[in-house]
This record gives sequence, C-alpha cells and structure tokens, in this order.
Amino acid sequence: AQSVAQPEDQVNVAEGNPLTVKCTYSVSGNPYLFWYVQYPNRGLQFLLKYITGDNLVKGSYGFEAEFNKSQTSFHLKKPSALVSDSALYFCAVQAAGNKLTFGGGTRVLVKP
Amino acid sequence: DVKVTQSSRYLVKRTGEKVFLECVQDMDHENMFWYRQDPGLGLRLIYFSYDVKMKEKGDIPEGYSVSREKKERFSLILESASTNQTSMYLCASSFPPETYNEQFFGPGTRLTVL
Repeated sequence: AQSVAQPEDQVNVAEGNPLTVKCTYSVSGNPYLFWYVQYPNRGLQFLLKYITGDNLVKGSYGFEAEFNKSQTSFHLKKPSALVSDSALYFCAVQAAGNKLTFGGGTRVLVKP
Repeated sequence: DVKVTQSSRYLVKRTGEKVFLECVQDMDHENMFWYRQDPGLGLRLIYFSYDVKMKEKGDIPEGYSVSREKKERFSLILESASTNQTSMYLCASSFPPETYNEQFFGPGTRLTVL
C-alpha cells in the first residue's frame, strides 16, 4: 500500500523568510509526486509535480520541491514567503496502477 | 482555464435523506473523481470514473454511489445520509493517464447531516 506523511500540522513563518513544508512517502515502484494548495473557501489547486528527470521541480507562485529518492521525501520550498501563501498544502503520491493518495495536509501561516 | 463546478457550496440534510451532489467539468476530461476531505485525514477517494457509464470504487465507497451519464457530469449519491457523512466533498477531473496528469478540483460542497 502507498502512503504519504506530512509530519507538521502547521508551519509558522515570518514574511520574507524561507518556507519549507515536509513530505515523505511510501510506494512500491516509481513514485509520481504532487503538491496541491487550498486557499480558504476554495478547492485544491495544482502547484507542481515530479514524474521523472531533474530532482528539483519548479512550480507555480515561486514554489519548488526536491525529490530525494534515498530519503523518500518531496519537500516543498519557497525562498521568501508571502502573507498570501497562507493556506493548506497537500502532498500526494501515486504509483502505476494505484490511485492518488494524499497526505493529511499542512497549514501554513505566514505572519507579516 | 479548466473549470470544475459543483452544484452547491453548502448543504444541510437530515439523517436518512437521499442526497445528490453534482459536478460538471468543461474541459472534456475522461477522468472524474469524488473525494471527501476531513481535518487531519487529507482527501480520501470515494469513487472515480474513466468514461461515461463507467465507475470504480475508491478507498471509502460505503454508503455512496455515483452516476456518470454524460462525459462532463459526475454525480455523487448518498443513498441514506448519516451524520458520519458530514464532510467537505470535492470533485476533480483530469486527462488520462491519471498517473502523471494533475487533477483539477471544484470548489467543494460542505455537507452537514443533522
């Protein structure tokens, strides 16, 4: 069975500081990894994905994520957080033949 | 832009009622999905469909059914609503293959069962 862990329920960061949201996964076979963001009272929006190739993936709104196969991690990062980045972030993993599995979500609060 | 719409943002129903949640997408996607979102549990897949009149069970199908009569529309049905089905319901769609194509989500329906 595949699974995703987001170890932090909430991350607090000051505006302008680096933001990291952690994600580790467990799958059989090659993983396909995704990050989604949910702003208040809105549906999920796709941020970025790793399918194959370069381990550093760049996505929307200045976010990036690094695929680390040995540590089975796919942490989301942003060099300089904005107040508008405050939202709920979901990591998700899929292996061939399986459905998408989401983590529990991490709430990010960026303070001015 | 892909648009996925859901029929209601908020819904309040009574225990035992039959509940219909409607989802429509306008990008001619083959794949459609229904999830429920609960705090700390993330999103859990209820049902999905790869084509018209096709449906497959997800991880938590008990107490739910679905209907896909047209490609753009995917309905979730709660046959007899119960209080433990109070949740946020999200619909999504994508192009195949679903393995590496992102899903596009609707705004969600917050259902309360009293």
